[in-house]
Amino acid sequence: GQNIDQPTEMTATEGAIVQINCTYQTSGFNGLFWYQQHAGEAPTFLSYNVLDGLEEKGRFSSFLSRSKGYSYLLLKELQMKDSASYLCAVRAAAGNKLTFGGGTRVLVKP
Amino acid sequence: NAGVTQTPKFRILKIGQSMTLQCAQDMNHNYMYWYRQDPGMGLKLIYYSVGAGITDKGEVPNGYNVSRSTTEDFPLRLELAAPSQTSVYFCASSYDLADTQYFGPGTRLTVL
Repeated sequence: GQNIDQPTEMTATEGAIVQINCTYQTSGFNGLFWYQQHAGEAPTFLSYNVLDGLEEKGRFSSFLSRSKGYSYLLLKELQMKDSASYLCAVRAAAGNKLTFGGGTRVLVKP
Repeated sequence: NAGVTQTPKFRILKIGQSMTLQCAQDMNHNYMYWYRQDPGMGLKLIYYSVGAGITDKGEVPNGYNVSRSTTEDFPLRLELAAPSQTSVYFCASSYDLADTQYFGPGTRLTVL
């Protein structure tokens, strides 16, 4: 089975940086995804990590350590529109299934 | 491309009623998925399909059925609606196993 943990909620100030951690335990590993979901909307893809290290995409970066079962999503220069839930999802080595964490709700304050 | 479309957007059912949630994609994706998301929670996989004619159970399949007669369509059937099935249902698709999943706008279902 798989177990994915991420904090429930985080608050940060506009212009600041926030780091959302995700830890996972899986019977096999074949990639980790981060999705953004605004309230009442569908999740949208942010990043994908399958090898250790940092992937940077503009203001968003995602890091993976497979040996530690750990990833983080870093949001820089926070904007009000970044207020959303951020979902960590892990793909098992076998099968086609993604297992999602409960999501971290980020609230950006002026 | 419309991407992934879902109908209806909202629905209220009485206990014991049946309904089909429609999902279609025009990206020629092989893989399609149905998830449910309860308030404040992550997504749980109900069923998925790796191609026309092939479906398999996810994490929470009880109370649901699916079919995949074409590449484009992947309907989800609720036979005897129960209050525990009150949720938001998302359909998703991807081209390949390791590919990004693209989500539809969701169907908000309430069972009273």
